[in-house]
Amino acid sequence: DQQVKQNSPSLSVQEGRISILNCDYTNSMFDYFLWYKKYPAEGPTFLISISSIKDKNEDGRFTVFLNKSAKHLSLHIVPSQPGDSAVYFCAASRDDYKLSFGAGTTVTVRA
Amino acid sequence: DGGITQSPKYLFRKEGQNVTLSCEQNLNHDAMYWYRQDPGQGLRLIYYSQIVNDFQKGDIAEGYSVSREKKESFPLTVTSAQKNPTAFYLCASSLLAGVGNEQFFGPGTRLTVL
Repeated sequence: DQQVKQNSPSLSVQEGRISILNCDYTNSMFDYFLWYKKYPAEGPTFLISISSIKDKNEDGRFTVFLNKSAKHLSLHIVPSQPGDSAVYFCAASRDDYKLSFGAGTTVTVRA
Repeated sequence: DGGITQSPKYLFRKEGQNVTLSCEQNLNHDAMYWYRQDPGQGLRLIYYSQIVNDFQKGDIAEGYSVSREKKESFPLTVTSAQKNPTAFYLCASSLLAGVGNEQFFGPGTRLTVL
């Protein structure tokens, strides 16, 4: 049962423009959300996170928005750069150690 | 340098053989995890351990076994009972805490069954 869903398997964006990645979840007990970035044949690296008590968290070019009522979060990358081309995973957790991951969105930034 | 190491990077196995994947961390993290990634799917949790000599099954534990004899080591054995073992395996670790516990990942091992 997929509790975290990333419905867009891929996204292509022009360099300098905004990338918007979406993530939906079904478990209302999730209270912490993370985004990871992954290059081919490497492990994911942590990008940004947000607690359920907030609706926005910003870190440089990366901003995560959380809409709890809609069970939806999004990651905005502004401006997009060629090095941002990677697979992005959304993950969620409750008050335990386990993370539930989405299937990932492959971002391609065009020059 | 602190981090997580996994070895080998690529592993080939004949059907019916058991194989053990190594995972070591020097981050002094209490919790360790094993995930599997298949094409078009997210990471799925195989096993996790919160403390030495203790571990729990994740979502897809069948055909796998683990041990946690040392804090820094969490090897995964893929047994012959695992019906579809070809995948990319990722090990992760985190500090012992609840919400907000960021997991750090190793570089992964790609296992191919011939």
